[in-house]
Amino acid sequence: NAGVTQTPKFRILKIGQSMTLQCTQDMNHNYMYWYRQDPGMGLKLIYYSVGAGITDKGEVPNGYNVSRSTTEDFPLRLELAAPSQTSVYFCASRRLTGTYEQYFGPGTRLTVT
Amino acid sequence: AQSVAQPEDQVNVAEGNPLTVKCTYSVSGNPYLFWYVQYPNRGLQFLLKYITGDNLVKGSYGFEAEFNKSQTSFHLKKPSALVSDSALYFCAVTLQTGANNLFFGTGTRLTVIP
Repeated sequence: NAGVTQTPKFRILKIGQSMTLQCTQDMNHNYMYWYRQDPGMGLKLIYYSVGAGITDKGEVPNGYNVSRSTTEDFPLRLELAAPSQTSVYFCASRRLTGTYEQYFGPGTRLTVT
Repeated sequence: AQSVAQPEDQVNVAEGNPLTVKCTYSVSGNPYLFWYVQYPNRGLQFLLKYITGDNLVKGSYGFEAEFNKSQTSFHLKKPSALVSDSALYFCAVTLQTGANNLFFGTGTRLTVIP
C-alpha cells in the first residue's frame, strides 16, 4: 500500500526553466491537493481537485498549473521557474466523505537558482 | 477567513514530563480541527482530529487534544513525553462546509530532552 507518492524527491532548476512535479495516490481518493512549505511557515495551498477533470485555485496559485485526468494522478506544472518558487512541495489526498484528514506524500524539495 | 495560530515556535520538555503544544483558531463557522506531525525530511502524518462529539480526542502515539469552543483552542497534549516525540507539529483547521481545505499554523518544534 504505497499511499501518496511524489517524484522527484529533489530538483534544482535554473530561472526560467519548467518542470512537472508528479503525484499519485492509490487509495481511490477523490480530493487531491498541492501545498508548498516555506521555512518557518505553515503549508500554503496552491491548487486542489475534487475529482478527475475538476480543479480549483488555492491561496497561492500564481506561477503554477495543474491537471487531473485520472483519479490517481495530480501533476503540478511550474512554468518559467523563479527563485520565489524555491520551496518544499507536498501533495495530499483525502476521501470524498466520512473523514476529513488528508494523507500526505513525502514531498519534493525544489531549488530555483 | 480561517486562520490558525501556534504561539510557540519551540517547546522544550524533559523526557517523562507532560507536554502541551498550543493552538488557537479563527473561523467563521463550525470548525474541524487537526494535528499533524512532521519528522525531518518526511511528509506530514495525521495525529488526531476533532469533528464533533467529545471535546477530548485521542490520537496516535498517546497524544490527545482538547477542543475548547469558548477559547477557540485545540491544544495538543501527552502525559509523558518521549525523545522520539521530537518533531515539528502543525495544527490545522477547516470549515464543516465547502471544500474543506485545510489552513495550517506555522508549526511548533518540539524537543524532548533526555
